[in-house]
Amino acid sequence: QQQVKQSPQSLIVQKGGISIINCAYENTAFDYFPWYQQFPGKGPALLIAIRPDVSEKKEGRFTISFNKSAKQFSLHIMDSQPGDSATYFCAAARRGNLIFGKGTKLSVKP
Amino acid sequence: ETGVTQTPRHLVMGMTNKKSLKCEQHLGHNAMYWYKQSAKKPLELMFVYNFKEQTENNSVPSRFSPECPNSSHLFLHLHTLQPEDSALYLCASSQAAGEKTYEQYFGPGTRLTVT
Repeated sequence: QQQVKQSPQSLIVQKGGISIINCAYENTAFDYFPWYQQFPGKGPALLIAIRPDVSEKKEGRFTISFNKSAKQFSLHIMDSQPGDSATYFCAAARRGNLIFGKGTKLSVKP
Repeated sequence: ETGVTQTPRHLVMGMTNKKSLKCEQHLGHNAMYWYKQSAKKPLELMFVYNFKEQTENNSVPSRFSPECPNSSHLFLHLHTLQPEDSALYLCASSQAAGEKTYEQYFGPGTRLTVT
């Protein structure tokens, strides 16, 4: 059973556009929701994270929106740049362990 | 060296071989993790060590054997692997306290191919 469902699997966005990646979870015991960014040949790197008592968190061009009642959260990348091309993973955390989504491969076209 | 390093970066081994993956963290963390990353599958947590003690083993087959001699080093010993074990093996580290546990720093991984 997949505990964290992520969509879309891949995404192509024009430079300057908005990239949106969605995740959904079932277990209401999750208490922390990070997003990781992974470039080819590198390990994932923490990008931004949110707690379930907050509905939105913004860091630069990256924003997490969190809907506790719907058990959904999403990553928005504003003014997307070719350098943002990477694979993005959402995750949900409980008891010290991270449960990851399958990832979204983002390509930003110049 | 900074961050989390892993060696080797690439490894090809036969099903009857024995090999080891090494991970070292230079961040002063006290928790270390092994993950398996396969194509089109979520990252799978394999093992967790807090203060050198194994606290999690996610039903990993015994052909994978972790070792954590100190809080900076982590090994994954491999023997009689199967072709389906071919994947990217990622090491990560974090502080072992509260939300800091979730702020994990990953190494670049070892790309393992079992022939």
